Amino acid sequence: DAGITQSPRHKVTETGTPVTLRCHQTENHRYMYWYRQDPGHGLRLIHYSYGVKDTDKGEVSDGYSVSRSKTEDFLLTLESATSSQTSVYFCAISEVYNEQFFGPGTRLTVL
Amino acid sequence: RKEVEQDPGPFNVPEGATVAFNCTYSNSASQSFFWYRQDCRKEPKLLMSVYSSGNEDGRFTAQLNRASQYISLLIRDSKLSDSATYLCVVNHNSGYSTLTFGKGTMLLVSP
Repeated sequence: DAGITQSPRHKVTETGTPVTLRCHQTENHRYMYWYRQDPGHGLRLIHYSYGVKDTDKGEVSDGYSVSRSKTEDFLLTLESATSSQTSVYFCAISEVYNEQFFGPGTRLTVL
Repeated sequence: RKEVEQDPGPFNVPEGATVAFNCTYSNSASQSFFWYRQDCRKEPKLLMSVYSSGNEDGRFTAQLNRASQYISLLIRDSKLSDSATYLCVVNHNSGYSTLTFGKGTMLLVSP
């Protein structure tokens, strides 16, 4: 399995609080991604990174920001969590044109 | 607009059966194609890439029809452990490795 970890694995928080999810890889892959998965929607891309300090928006980026200060770490921040952001969040990594490999996911509940 | 369409199922089959899933995609310029498998409450895992000439990996065969814009996955001699959701995945972007996921087809294999 690809060396990808996510932390925390589970989190319960309250509306309006900031939340940061971390993705860490040991594969030295250039590309990193954040997805959310919800029933009826499948996996949707939030943000992705194509290098250190290089990021771009995905399909559902509103309410989320990201940062990548090192090759191995990609952070996803919910500045002010809302109930609509309750979801399962997956991080993924890849090289160009290659398959993506996923982390174990973070289950976030916003009350 | 939905770029990748799959029958959600579930497909209920007995052990030993052969089952096939199809997936259609909307962007004729799509570059690469994959099947992922996702177990309940787990991350998606790459099952196989789909090549223009078709490819086989043990009991699994994937085929691509660019003219009709569909991808298929055939599973022979189904095992109980094949029970999962199968995600059809398409890379629409010729630059970065950004994937579009279908919502998945659920397979249930019974004894």
